[in-house]
Amino acid sequence: ETGVTQTPRHLVMGMTNKKSLKCEQHLGHNAMYWYKQSAKKPLELMFVYSLEERVENNSVPSRFSPECPNSSHLFLHLHTLQPEDSALYLCASSHDRGATLYEQYFGPGTRLTVT
Amino acid sequence: AQKITQTQPGMFVQEKEAVTLDCTYDTSDPSYGLFWYKQPSSGEMIFLIYQGSYDQQNATEGRYSLNFQKARKSANLVISASQLGDSAMYFCAGLGGSYIPTFGRGTSLIVHP
Repeated sequence: ETGVTQTPRHLVMGMTNKKSLKCEQHLGHNAMYWYKQSAKKPLELMFVYSLEERVENNSVPSRFSPECPNSSHLFLHLHTLQPEDSALYLCASSHDRGATLYEQYFGPGTRLTVT
Repeated sequence: AQKITQTQPGMFVQEKEAVTLDCTYDTSDPSYGLFWYKQPSSGEMIFLIYQGSYDQQNATEGRYSLNFQKARKSANLVISASQLGDSAMYFCAGLGGSYIPTFGRGTSLIVHP
């Protein structure tokens, strides 16, 4: 596999479920990002990890819990979500935290539906 | 606060014609970069073109060019010789010194044969 991969590509979950989104990058990058793209709002940055340490948290509700066990993997743990959390969740990676936007490589996203 | 505005929810263009997608930005950051992305139905964000606020000339990348008018705070994307494969969502984004990008709501472009 090359680039940035995300699994699953589609996920349907109830509000009481617990699920996790996975992102993996095969580019040797040191920074990883979670973005949320919903129908009602523009694409927005949720979390930034650099060298496995969270360096940005864009005021995201605690029902979203990121985890970055190493520089190649990023997870987004989901619990007690709301229907308005239904969105496309995009992962991205870049060589380092200071990389500009065009140096971020995006994955294909996970389409999440909360019922 | 920074804001990116894309006023065209949808645009239609005939194949082989040129199309302009509008983007205006609002920021007090003196050093600001503008970016355009294409998002096909498969979901991934594909970087197209970048314009720095201090760049003297408009950016060009193949069939893509950026009509940057600093006084009007606009950074419109021009796609020349449209192709059927250009049908997608297009997003304008801005990035200043905070390293947190701001995206617009996007424009859906449909290219007719």
